[in-house]
Amino acid sequence: AQSVTQLGSHVSVSEGALVLLRCNYSSSVPPYLFWYVQYPNQGLQLLLKYTTGATLVKGINGFEAEFKKSETSFHLTKPSAHMSDAAEYFCAVRPNTGNQFYFGTGTSLTVIP
Amino acid sequence: EAGVAQSPRYKIIEKRQSVAFWCNPISGHATLYWYQQILGQGPKLLIQFQNNGVVDDSQLPKDRFSAERLKGVDSTLKIQPAKLEDSAVYLCASSQTHYGYTFGSGTRLTVV
Repeated sequence: AQSVTQLGSHVSVSEGALVLLRCNYSSSVPPYLFWYVQYPNQGLQLLLKYTTGATLVKGINGFEAEFKKSETSFHLTKPSAHMSDAAEYFCAVRPNTGNQFYFGTGTSLTVIP
Repeated sequence: EAGVAQSPRYKIIEKRQSVAFWCNPISGHATLYWYQQILGQGPKLLIQFQNNGVVDDSQLPKDRFSAERLKGVDSTLKIQPAKLEDSAVYLCASSQTHYGYTFGSGTRLTVV
């Protein structure tokens, strides 16, 4: 069965500092990979996704993620944090077969002014 | 395009009562999903529809939860009777391809 591990349930960064949110998956075959953001009392919004092709994926709001097959990782980064980035971030995978998404437990990002 | 619509946004009920949530997906999206998100956890799939047929309901507690998608468009999720542990946000999502979902804003259920 697929599993997604997000290291660090809470991450705090200073405004303007680098954001790094970690995600590792377990799969013998690289799945499709996603990052979603959830603001308070809202649904999940797609930040970016990796399906095939270039392993460095750029998303909305200045975020990007790199798929590293050898490390089974898909870490999310942003060079400079903004106050509006404070939210819950979820990594998700979808196996190459089937339609179900598997979500990590989420990482709450706090941005300190 | 209009997003995924869900109602109500909030619901408070007593245990053993029944409750229903409604979802209207993005027009043309054949696949519709219901997820349960308990506080502090990631969303967990309850049921997946393809048009008006059920594709996966393996994690749906069928003794108390039911869902339908009449005419392959909007969908209703029902809980009867509710338990305290059903307190969660219920998210509806729809997709046209395998690559990504569009989520609604969710219904926050509190069972007291």
